[in-house]
Amino acid sequence: RKEVEQDPGPFNVPEGATVAFNCTYSNSASQSFFWYRQDCRKEPKLLMSVYSSGNEDGRFTAQLNRASQYISLLIRDSKLSDSATYLCVVNFGSWGKLQFGAGTQVVVTP
Amino acid sequence: GAVVSQHPSRVICKSGTSVKIECRSLDFQATTMFWYRQFPKQSLMLMATSNEGSKATYEQGVEKDKFLINHASLTLSTLTVTSAHPEDSSFYICSARGAGGLNEQFFGPGTRLTVL
Repeated sequence: RKEVEQDPGPFNVPEGATVAFNCTYSNSASQSFFWYRQDCRKEPKLLMSVYSSGNEDGRFTAQLNRASQYISLLIRDSKLSDSATYLCVVNFGSWGKLQFGAGTQVVVTP
Repeated sequence: GAVVSQHPSRVICKSGTSVKIECRSLDFQATTMFWYRQFPKQSLMLMATSNEGSKATYEQGVEKDKFLINHASLTLSTLTVTSAHPEDSSFYICSARGAGGLNEQFFGPGTRLTVL
């Protein structure tokens, strides 16, 4: 079983619509959680950290459910520039080792 | 945010040759650097963790004699792929973490290696 699992998608979203997707993690000792964004053939870039109480950053909302071991990302009012692969990332070690999911592809269409 | 560079961005080499990839933190001192590999449509896989001045810690299944890592200074780590073969063709990405925080890593732009 993979440590971090994501629906690969693609999620095809009309511009202006809302899209949400989850990620599950297997290690209950996981300490920190993040969403990264990766554009085609580029390095990942941090989108936002995920806090226990849930947090928002503009059009992006992240939630954490420790009991069920999943995190979610919701994108409101989707823009064409939101088209990317969204990586769920979990930190479970004291050395800051990150475990990456394979990513969820989002395609925003005009 | 902090800037991490990688060089080269793309390399094509013949089977059997060695390739060195550099990862530099440009505006901060990186006590720890991480090397990842990503195959198409797959997740980033951590290869090794490198702490300045000490030997790298390799993940299970990664051959330390094939992937040589040197972290000689607080701003530079190198990954050398020795005797490269076509199956080593991949996207290699480094990340660096400063002394201040455990959580945020700053990623380099990646190096695309193609072994013919």
